[in-house]
Amino acid sequence: SQKIEQNSEALNIQEGKTATLTCNYTNYSPAYLQWYRQDPGRGPVFLLLIRENEKEKRKERLKVTFDTTLKQSLFHITASQPADSATYLCALDSTGGSYIPTFGRGTSLIVHP
Amino acid sequence: DAGVIQSPRHEVTEMGQEVTLRCKPISGHDYLFWYRQTMMRGLELLIYFNNNVPIDDSGMPEDRFSAKMPNASFSTLKIQPSEPRDSAVYFCASSFSGRTSGNTIYFGEGSWLTVV
Repeated sequence: SQKIEQNSEALNIQEGKTATLTCNYTNYSPAYLQWYRQDPGRGPVFLLLIRENEKEKRKERLKVTFDTTLKQSLFHITASQPADSATYLCALDSTGGSYIPTFGRGTSLIVHP
Repeated sequence: DAGVIQSPRHEVTEMGQEVTLRCKPISGHDYLFWYRQTMMRGLELLIYFNNNVPIDDSGMPEDRFSAKMPNASFSTLKIQPSEPRDSAVYFCASSFSGRTSGNTIYFGEGSWLTVV
């Protein structure tokens, strides 16, 4: 069956360090992968999209990699700040190129000052 | 644009009562989604519409749940009768299929439902 796995344990890091979150998937052949941020009591907010033919994508302090051989995406936040504390969800299209992403359960990031 | 607008933000109701959640998608978006989020199950897709037509309702947990989209600017999710296990955050979301690089989903702030 299809699975999207994100670490259920919270990631605790010190301010200024690089946070790295992982998204692994099985039995998918996604055309793209997305990352969203969710703050407590709010809806998820889109951050980045990376396509299957892209290895890496950057946006300001964010970097996403996508390895379709390993079936894994890594999400990096460099020079992390306490304001980056949130839950980060990855999402894949369930069939290649569809418009309907399926979400992982997310990983909580806590950045300590 | 004001984004996806949901109401009510919070609802507490008694078991057996009817619950209606409302959503106004972003103007111009042609997809509308209803998701449910719980600690146990994460973010689950319940149903989605394309151009106001329900496409896939396989995520709707049972017949007590129904959703409608009478026009491009309004959708409802109804639970009748409600049960305590329906307690969750219900998100409405919309997207525009015209993007060639995938489907960015825009979420509302959610409706927090508690059934007692």
